[in-house]
Amino acid sequence: AQSVSQHNHHVILSEAASLELGCNYSYGGTVNLFWYVQYPGQHLQLLLKYFSGDPLVKGIKGFEAEFIKSKFSFNLRKPSVQWSDTAEYFCAVNALNTGNQFYFGTGTSLTVIP
Amino acid sequence: KAGVTQTPRYLIKTRGQQVTLSCSPISGHRSVSWYQQTPGQGLQFLFEYFSETQRNKGNFPGRFSGRQFSNSRSEMNVSTLELGDSALYLCASSLVPGGRDTQYFGPGTRLTVL
Repeated sequence: AQSVSQHNHHVILSEAASLELGCNYSYGGTVNLFWYVQYPGQHLQLLLKYFSGDPLVKGIKGFEAEFIKSKFSFNLRKPSVQWSDTAEYFCAVNALNTGNQFYFGTGTSLTVIP
Repeated sequence: KAGVTQTPRYLIKTRGQQVTLSCSPISGHRSVSWYQQTPGQGLQFLFEYFSETQRNKGNFPGRFSGRQFSNSRSEMNVSTLELGDSALYLCASSLVPGGRDTQYFGPGTRLTVL
C-alpha cells in the first residue's frame, strides 16, 4: 500500500546533538514534500517544503531536508538541536498522481534534554 | 493576516449524536482541507473543498461529510457519532488546491465522544 513512513517514533537527544529524522514514501511520479512541526500546545506549522529544484531545502529555525528521489526519501536534519525544538514532527507528501491528496506520516516525537 | 480559525475548540458528544465543526480559512484562500488526527493513526485526510466543490475525499465512511460556502468557510459534519470518532479535527487552508501550495493549519477542534 502507498504510504509515508517515519521510522523514528520517539527520539530523545541532548542539546547541541545533531538530528536526523527519516521519512520515506511510496508514491511514484511527481511529489511535493513537506515537513510540519507541532510544538506542545500549538498547531501544526510548516518547517520546510520541496516542490522542485535544489533537492536540499532549508527551512525555518535551522532545519534542512534533502530529497533523494532514488531512495524515495526526504529526511529532516538539524546540526545542533535546542531544548525549544522539542515537538512532534510530521512528514507529508502530496502525490500528484493520486488526486493531489496529502498523506502524512504518523509523526516523530522529539524530546531535547537541556 | 489572521490565521485559520476553527470553532468550537472543544466538543463533548455522546454516541449516536451528530456534530458540525466550522473552519474559516485565511483571507484569500479558497481551498480547505479537513484531517482527523489521532495518536495511533496520525493525520488522515478527510476531504478537500475548493470553490464550494469537493475535490478529493479520503477513506472515511459516509457519516463524515462537509461543505464549503461562497465565502470559502467550510463545515464538517459527522452523523451518528461513534466512540472511535474521538479525535482532533484539523482544518487547513491554501490558496489553490491539490498540494500545489502550502497548507496552513488551524488549531483544531477536539471532539470527545462518550
